[in-house]
Amino acid sequence: GIQVEQSPPDLILQEGANSTLRCNFSDSVNNLQWFHQNPWGQLINLFYIPSGTKQNGRLSATTVATERYSLLYISSSQTTDSGVYFCAVFGVGNKFYFGSGTKLNVKP
Amino acid sequence: NAGVTQTPKFQVLKTGQSMTLQCAQDMNHNSMYWYRQDPGMGLRLIYYSASEGTTDKGEVPNGYNVSRLNKREFSLRLESAAPSQTSVYFCASSETWNTEAFFGQGTRLTVV
Repeated sequence: GIQVEQSPPDLILQEGANSTLRCNFSDSVNNLQWFHQNPWGQLINLFYIPSGTKQNGRLSATTVATERYSLLYISSSQTTDSGVYFCAVFGVGNKFYFGSGTKLNVKP
Repeated sequence: NAGVTQTPKFQVLKTGQSMTLQCAQDMNHNSMYWYRQDPGMGLRLIYYSASEGTTDKGEVPNGYNVSRLNKREFSLRLESAAPSQTSVYFCASSETWNTEAFFGQGTRLTVV
């Protein structure tokens, strides 16, 4: 299957700081999504972004499919941004593969 | 619009007991999935159904069976629960196999 690697595994920020999360994948993909898993365990869709750049408020994402990576940018972080951020890709065999996540802790 | 609904939210089973996790979506999606998430890890695919009437194994299918009852519903059955199946189970759906997927709120299962 496709290997999905996320970095960094852990990130601690002071409120107001900016950050960049990275997702590398090992093969061509047809779909890429970013999710936020909040402290209650709920998975929230952030971006559906097979290629290109999208923005939603303080969050934006860029996927360069030809170079097999995606970036999630968080600007002016808030404590409510804390949780785990997952990258997931659709690949060969109609399967959706998840990375192991970046755990973000935003301190007040 | 409820999206993807899973029942139950929490369950405790004894080793060897059986149970079925239910999942229903109201978005008229063709594809549905079951994942498990173990502590500190990402989600791993158990089974998926690309369309009504079809099911296929994912990465970790052993110990599970599934049924795509109709277009809306996709159930996951544990025939003889084992402590190794203690996990949080997520159901998801998407319009087709490579479009945006949406997840349910999860079922936290403990096998003692």
